[in-house]
Amino acid sequence: DQQVKQNSPSLSVQEGRISILNCDYTNSMFDYFLWYKKYPAEGPTFLISISSIKDKNEDGRFTVFLNKSAKHLSLHIVPSQPGDSAVYFCAALSNRDDKIIFGKGTRLHILP
Amino acid sequence: EPEVTQTPSHQVTQMGQEVILRCVPISNHLYFYWYRQILGQKVEFLVSFYNNEISEKSEIFDDQFSVERPDGSNFTLKIRSTKLEDSAMYFCASVGTRNSPLHFGNGTRLTVT
Repeated sequence: DQQVKQNSPSLSVQEGRISILNCDYTNSMFDYFLWYKKYPAEGPTFLISISSIKDKNEDGRFTVFLNKSAKHLSLHIVPSQPGDSAVYFCAALSNRDDKIIFGKGTRLHILP
Repeated sequence: EPEVTQTPSHQVTQMGQEVILRCVPISNHLYFYWYRQILGQKVEFLVSFYNNEISEKSEIFDDQFSVERPDGSNFTLKIRSTKLEDSAMYFCASVGTRNSPLHFGNGTRLTVT
């Protein structure tokens, strides 16, 4: 049962352009969403989050958009840089639970 | 910046053996977690721990798994009798308050042969 879905296993984007990573969820009880970034041989690192009371949160080059009616969120990275090449995990949390549910991840390649 | 540390980075064990994966969470954190990632698959929740007891566990976390906080700093995951399908990256995480972003360690790669 995939409550958090990242349908693109990989994505390639030219350096300097915008990277858009997508995520869908099925559980309407989720009220807090996070994006994590993971390099090989390292643990996931928190990137940015958004509460369900908002539809946008911005932090530097990173912006997360939430569309609650569509149960969809996206992460925008602009401009994309070589160091952004990593696996990006979408994750969600319900106030009732004590665990974060992760998607399968999207591998982002930034091309020179 | 304080970080979650995990040891060992790689553990190889034979099927049926017991393993203990160790974690030192960030010192002032109160909530502790174990997650695992089988190669090529998603990061899966195993167990959460608060106030010296398990607060939630997944169906993966069956009787062969146990967690312990034996002293004020370490948080361990024990797998009593390992199976081939236990081979995965095991990530420890901690957080100071609920619903805050988790801080993950770099993981222990467990290989069961």
